[in-house]
Amino acid sequence: DAKTTQPTSMDCAEGRAANLPCNHSTISGNEYVYWYRQIHSQGPQYIIHGLKNNETNEMASLIITEDRKSSTLILPHATLRDTAVYYCIVRVVSGAGSYQLTFGKGTKLSVIP
Amino acid sequence: DAGVIQSPRHEVTEMGQEVTLRCKPISGHDYLFWYRQTMMRGLELLIYFNNNVPIDDSGMPEDRFSAKMPNASFSTLKIQPSEPRDSAVYFCASTPFEASPYEQYFGPGTRLTVT
Repeated sequence: DAKTTQPTSMDCAEGRAANLPCNHSTISGNEYVYWYRQIHSQGPQYIIHGLKNNETNEMASLIITEDRKSSTLILPHATLRDTAVYYCIVRVVSGAGSYQLTFGKGTKLSVIP
Repeated sequence: DAGVIQSPRHEVTEMGQEVTLRCKPISGHDYLFWYRQTMMRGLELLIYFNNNVPIDDSGMPEDRFSAKMPNASFSTLKIQPSEPRDSAVYFCASTPFEASPYEQYFGPGTRLTVT
C-alpha cells in the first residue's frame, strides 16, 4: 500500500471550508484513496473514497489531482463537531486481502469558533 | 438506522476474569470486523467475518481471544483469562459492499480496563 503524508495539525474557522491535504506520490493505478476521521472518544468514521474522479457526498468532497499523487478532503462548512483527527489511507480494492484499516498519525483539525 | 451497536461501553475487570464483548452490525452488512485500539499500537484488526464465517483471524493475539458470529445480527469477542495488557478500546465495524471493503462503519467501542 502506498505511503501517505499529511500535515500534523490544522485550524479552521467555524463556517469556513476546511481543506485537508494528503500526499500519496507512490500510489499505483489500482489503489483507492479513503478518508476517515476519529472524534475524541468515538469510533473511526468513514467519510469518502475515490479512485481518480472527484467525489462528493453529504459529508465532504474529495478532490484527487490528475496525476493522483495527492488529494484534498474538503469540508464545505466546518462546524465545531468536525474537530477530529482525519486520516487519509490508500488501499487496493480486490477480492482478497485482510481488509485491515491502518491509520497513520493523520491531521488533527481544530475548528475554532 | 441505529448504526453498529456495541455493549458494554465500558468494562472494568480483574486479571484472570472472562470478558465478553458484544456487537450488532448494521442490518444487511455482509462483513464484520473486530479491532482494538491503544495509544501504543494504534488500530489493530483482530478478526473479520463474511456471512458469519471467520475469514481471517491472524490478528487475534493468542488463544485467550476467541470470536463468534452465530448469526448475521450478532457477534461476540471473548477474552479468557483477561490480562492487564488487554486493556484497550475494542471496536466492531461492518461493511455492506464486497467491492468497497474499506468502507467500514464503526461502533462506539468498548473501553476495557483489566486491573
